[in-house]
Amino acid sequence: EAGVTQSPTHLIKTRGQQATLRCSPISGHTSVYWYQQALGLGLQFLLWYDEGEERNRGNFPPRFSGRQFPNYSSELNVNALELEDSALYLCASSLDSWLGTEAFFGQGTRLTVV
Amino acid sequence: GESVGLHLPTLSVQEGDNSIINCAYSNSASDYFIWYKQESGKGPQFIIDIRSNMDKRQGQRVTVLLNKTVKHLSLQIAATQPGDSAVYFCAVPRPPYNQGGKLIFGQGTELSVKP
Repeated sequence: EAGVTQSPTHLIKTRGQQATLRCSPISGHTSVYWYQQALGLGLQFLLWYDEGEERNRGNFPPRFSGRQFPNYSSELNVNALELEDSALYLCASSLDSWLGTEAFFGQGTRLTVV
Repeated sequence: GESVGLHLPTLSVQEGDNSIINCAYSNSASDYFIWYKQESGKGPQFIIDIRSNMDKRQGQRVTVLLNKTVKHLSLQIAATQPGDSAVYFCAVPRPPYNQGGKLIFGQGTELSVKP
């Protein structure tokens, strides 16, 4: 069974551009979570999608947005990129809304803003 | 606000020794705790979890201990192997749980295993 897959693996953008990151959850999982892992920091919660809707977001500006498609895959968009957006962006999926069940992470997308 | 902290950012052990990684949390209402392992270039991998109605839970070579009195949990790895080298995170769901997604991660402890 395929795990959580993310694309691209690496992404280099210049300041002010937009980045789009993609995530395919494990088959059967309806909840998708996005986390940012900046160098030297822990994982910071970004967004949670479930059944096609945004259910919760972390303390990030509105230029971080996303959506979940009918097949439960998800997209994270970061507009007006800033240097400090450089980080590893991790997607995770789970069967339910993380009320105590295992969540599986993808390999991440390394975003570099220059 | 909610916080989760690890006591040591790095830990170096000899192959074959036991490793202990510690974590403290701030919210006494927290009732579920997870340990993740993140190897270089990979996403976090679930290791073991524990609920607050337990003090101890064992897996394969790993044991998690929970002390609710002092809001502390630890991950013990028996007979540490080179393949255990990774960054270890403790994570705590932030209530209210019906909001989901807000898994609060500690900063991580980097475990290095010397052959």
